[in-house]
Amino acid sequence: DVKVTQSSRYLVKRTGEKVFLECVQDMDHENMFWYRQDPGLGLRLIYFSYDVKMKEKGDIPEGYSVSREKKERFSLILESASTNQTSMYLCASSSSPGGGTDTQYFGPGTRLTVL
Amino acid sequence: AQTVTQSQPEMSVQEAETVTLSCTYDTSESDYYLFWYKQPPSRQMILVIRQEAYKQQNATENRFSVNFQKAAKSFSLKISDSQLGDAAMYFCAYPGGYQKVTFGTGTKLQVIP
Repeated sequence: DVKVTQSSRYLVKRTGEKVFLECVQDMDHENMFWYRQDPGLGLRLIYFSYDVKMKEKGDIPEGYSVSREKKERFSLILESASTNQTSMYLCASSSSPGGGTDTQYFGPGTRLTVL
Repeated sequence: AQTVTQSQPEMSVQEAETVTLSCTYDTSESDYYLFWYKQPPSRQMILVIRQEAYKQQNATENRFSVNFQKAAKSFSLKISDSQLGDAAMYFCAYPGGYQKVTFGTGTKLQVIP
């Protein structure tokens, strides 16, 4: 079974802090994604990566950056956390080398609260 | 831009009954995939069912089936013989661009014993 893990289930940070959310997948998937989930808004794509050191902006990249130094690990970085970044963050991976035809496998999510 | 619309924020169904969750989408493509994902409370999101647009036959997975109407751009999910474990958020998803999957806003399904 594909396993996607995220470093924390719950995280509380202060405004202005630099925050790192880590995601690891164990199935050698090329593609990895970071989503933000908010009630009534569904999932919104922040960034995705289709290869090591490659990244593409999603629909809401402002205030976020990402890093993918190894194939299995994809990090989401909040350079200076703000209260409007309080949300559930979901990581996902998929194996499709091109196009969104393959199933995405999700991690358990990190519920981030910024005070 | 591709859009995915789930017009039912919440639904409920009696245990053992059938419920249908609706989803509409917008695309100019002719060949694509559509997905339904399930997110149980405090658990990971998982794939429920996947439909390939060029296939005429509706996809089925055990108690889950879809009603895919390509011309109407409609992709509803039918859950038969509902069980308590079916209670979850359900998301319709359309991979409209290169790896950029668009999700609907979700439908929260309650199963009443």
